[in-house]
Amino acid sequence: EVQVLESGGGLVQPGDSLRLTCATSGFTFTNHAFAWVRQVAGKGLEWVASISNSGITTPYADSVRGRFTIARDDSKNTLHLQMSSLTLDDTAVYFCARCGPTCQHNRFDVWGQGTLVTVSS
Amino acid sequence: DIPLTQSPSFLSASVGDRVTITCRASQGIGNSLAWYQQKPGKAPKALIYGSSTLESGVPSRFSASGSGTEFTLTISSLQPEDFGTYYCQQLNDYPLTFGGGTKVEIK
Repeated sequence: EVQVLESGGGLVQPGDSLRLTCATSGFTFTNHAFAWVRQVAGKGLEWVASISNSGITTPYADSVRGRFTIARDDSKNTLHLQMSSLTLDDTAVYFCARCGPTCQHNRFDVWGQGTLVTVSS
Repeated sequence: DIPLTQSPSFLSASVGDRVTITCRASQGIGNSLAWYQQKPGKAPKALIYGSSTLESGVPSRFSASGSGTEFTLTISSLQPEDFGTYYCQQLNDYPLTFGGGTKVEIK
């Protein structure tokens, strides 16, 4: 069974750092790119970052560029999102999603259940 | 950036109704558009890719069309389980963007 499962969310203070992890199984990890998408409670979906199957291409949304880093560990079939200098505006549920070899021109066909990040003082 | 404008933002319809949601891109994106359904508290689920190709397992009452800047998602006969919020997404260029969503309520 194809699965993606996020973890690592929690309550942090403004300025803190947090690392999210997406564990995957049931498919060939290195054939796929991945993305992080976030959703503020009651609001729409916002693409955050993607990483290609090779790990070479890593585009970011303007709102997180320079603060967030997406990375993949092909030996463990996992995806990470390192978040730093967190602000109140980063409070959201963060979803991990699978794409084709790249996320450009390839839909997000498998999604995790999401992990909640709350930034509050 | 390529903003996507979805309309309507909310619709209420009866079981059996034909429902159409529109997604407009600010510039041409070819057929690099996907549609997702999201139910409360759940992750989005892919319905359509390549602007008109149905995902495996998605009921045939769902269909979609369009290219360039105008896209539509149609539910030919609305069912009780079709409630939720529907999002379009352009995959043509970064930053990848989503429409604002259309909340579908069953009367």
